[in-house]
Amino acid sequence: DIQLTQSPSFLSASVGDRVTITCRASQVINNFLVWCQQKPGKAPKLLIYHASTLQSGVPSRFSGSRSGTEFTLTISSLQPEDFATYYCQQFDSYPHTFGQGTKLEIK
Amino acid sequence: EVQLVESGGGLVQPGGSLRLSCVGSGFIFSDHWMGWARQAPGKGLEWVGNMNEDGSEIHYVDDVKGRFTMSRDNAKSTVFLQMNSLRGEDTAVYYCARESPWRSDYWGQGTLVTVSS
Repeated sequence: DIQLTQSPSFLSASVGDRVTITCRASQVINNFLVWCQQKPGKAPKLLIYHASTLQSGVPSRFSGSRSGTEFTLTISSLQPEDFATYYCQQFDSYPHTFGQGTKLEIK
Repeated sequence: EVQLVESGGGLVQPGGSLRLSCVGSGFIFSDHWMGWARQAPGKGLEWVGNMNEDGSEIHYVDDVKGRFTMSRDNAKSTVFLQMNSLRGEDTAVYYCARESPWRSDYWGQGTLVTVSS
């Protein structure tokens, strides 16, 4: 199975900050990686797919990139509604594993 | 508007069975793969399985193979997850998701399954 390792697991930041979350895959997965956001008690919400394509309706402050087996989610200027847990997930091979999550908290 | 609504969760004893349903609306159900994921209390997301448009291709995570069965009724825009031989570690919120190529683009609100005596 492909393992996805997110870093950091916890992140404390302030409104207006630029933050970066990393997801490292245990093997090459091409661009078949997504990022989703989950708020407490709510369903996940797709933010980015194909590593860097913004899902319709998602603010442009969210962006994704890839370098080899390392994928990055960047939020350019944190807004109050962005404090949540973020997951990466791969769709390259079965099972479609998730990273362990990154909880983004208000500093 | 795409909507997915799960139902069927509840309290079940270890070794018991439960059948979850997920009804889709606002899109052509038979055009999409459908999937399930779960989240144990206080834990991260775990992919459970998915199936193709006509139900002829199904994939499961190893932990549920032989115990869980996915099916669908396209006439009713519904996907099912039959869960047998349930264990305590199956306790989780179960989410269904609509899939588009290489992504789950819409998720239901989830249904809680609690396995306990």
